[in-house]
Amino acid sequence: GAVVSQHPSWVICKSGTSVKIECRSLDFQATTMFWYRQFPKQSLMLMATSNEGSKATYEQGVEKDKFLINHASLTLSTLTVTSAHPEDSSFYICSALGGAPTEAFFGQGTRLTVV
Amino acid sequence: AQSVTQPDIHITVSEGASLELRCNYSYGATPYLFWYVQSPGQGLQLLLKYFSGDTLVQGIKGFEAEFKRSQSSFNLRKPSVHWSDAAEYFCLINNAGNMLTFGGGTRLMVKP
Repeated sequence: GAVVSQHPSWVICKSGTSVKIECRSLDFQATTMFWYRQFPKQSLMLMATSNEGSKATYEQGVEKDKFLINHASLTLSTLTVTSAHPEDSSFYICSALGGAPTEAFFGQGTRLTVV
Repeated sequence: AQSVTQPDIHITVSEGASLELRCNYSYGATPYLFWYVQSPGQGLQLLLKYFSGDTLVQGIKGFEAEFKRSQSSFNLRKPSVHWSDAAEYFCLINNAGNMLTFGGGTRLMVKP
């Protein structure tokens, strides 16, 4: 089946630094990718929809200047958390649309801890 | 707008007992339907999916789900729960386009 690889699986960074998370579709091309944030014991919250070659669409309340999304190719989308703060610590998950019928394939998630 | 409701936030069952997790959706047509499981600190694992056809779908780990159009439901079942099934379960619908909607999740605890 289709595989989405997300890297890194966990990262610890200092406040004020930036962190980049990669999401790759390994064996299919994904025009559309999604980025989610998950707080402890909660469901996934959609942050933004990323379309290859165009600007991402952010959900209400998500700061686009803080969470930079780039989808420069059909197999790679990146999320950069800029000037990270402890409140940005969370579990981030990406997914990519593919297959016929279309379904979402999820990455393994990234645990971000800002200290 | 589409929505997904998982009415049970927590469920506790005894090991070996049967399990049913509820999922109800609101959408103007029949969406694509999915169930995922998430262990603590892990990503999502697909259990099963429904696109069309037979309304009873079989998945991995002994799980099955039944799509009932009249009830707008896609409940997940397992005849005999194992301790390793303890996890968070999410129902997801896809409107066959680019819109995905998650349910709030159900946390399953298994008593020995």
